[in-house]
Amino acid sequence: AQSVTQLGSHVSVSEGALVLLRCNYSSSVPPYLFWYVQYPNQGLQLLLKYTTGATLVKGINGFEAEFKKSETSFHLTKPSAHMSDAAEYFCAVSDRGSQGNLIFGKGTKLSVKP
Amino acid sequence: GAVVSQHPSRVICKSGTSVKIECRSLDFQATTMFWYRQFPKQSLMLMATSNEGSKATYEQGVEKDKFLINHASLTLSTLTVTSAHPEDSSFYICSADRTRGGGYNEQFFGPGTRLTVL
Repeated sequence: AQSVTQLGSHVSVSEGALVLLRCNYSSSVPPYLFWYVQYPNQGLQLLLKYTTGATLVKGINGFEAEFKKSETSFHLTKPSAHMSDAAEYFCAVSDRGSQGNLIFGKGTKLSVKP
Repeated sequence: GAVVSQHPSRVICKSGTSVKIECRSLDFQATTMFWYRQFPKQSLMLMATSNEGSKATYEQGVEKDKFLINHASLTLSTLTVTSAHPEDSSFYICSADRTRGGGYNEQFFGPGTRLTVL
């Protein structure tokens, strides 16, 4: 069975500071890993994904994440936070052998202080 | 490309009535669509997997007779909440599966439907 753990339900940073959102996964097979962002009362938007190949993945809006198999982690980072980054962020894992079923973490709410 | 729409975006209904929510893939065909439910400040919980031309697969604990799913075409899946009660109030999100090659499919999410049952 697969699972995702997001450490910290709420992260607060100052504008311009580093953003680090943590995600650890559990999977018995090589996983596909995703980060989604959700703004209030909206659906999910894909930020980035890891499937195969390069373990450092760059996404939209300046975000990136690194797949570390030895640590079973896929932490999301951004060098400099913007006010517009304030949102809910979800990490998800998919079994590459499945039909695309996603298992989501509980989410991390990012607040950005001026 | 890969746009998924949901209609309506917001619905308020009386207890005991039924509500239908549509999920459409606008620029691609989706043999599989997923329905999620999201409670306030919580993650998405998969309710069911909708397969075109066949019966939906429901997750454990989801009442199939209450949440009717129909996937009649490759671009449309509907979720009908029957005899709605206040506890059914939630944010319902659909996603459509698109084959990307390389052995995996990618889900594209709709904007969600906010259901409020009075």
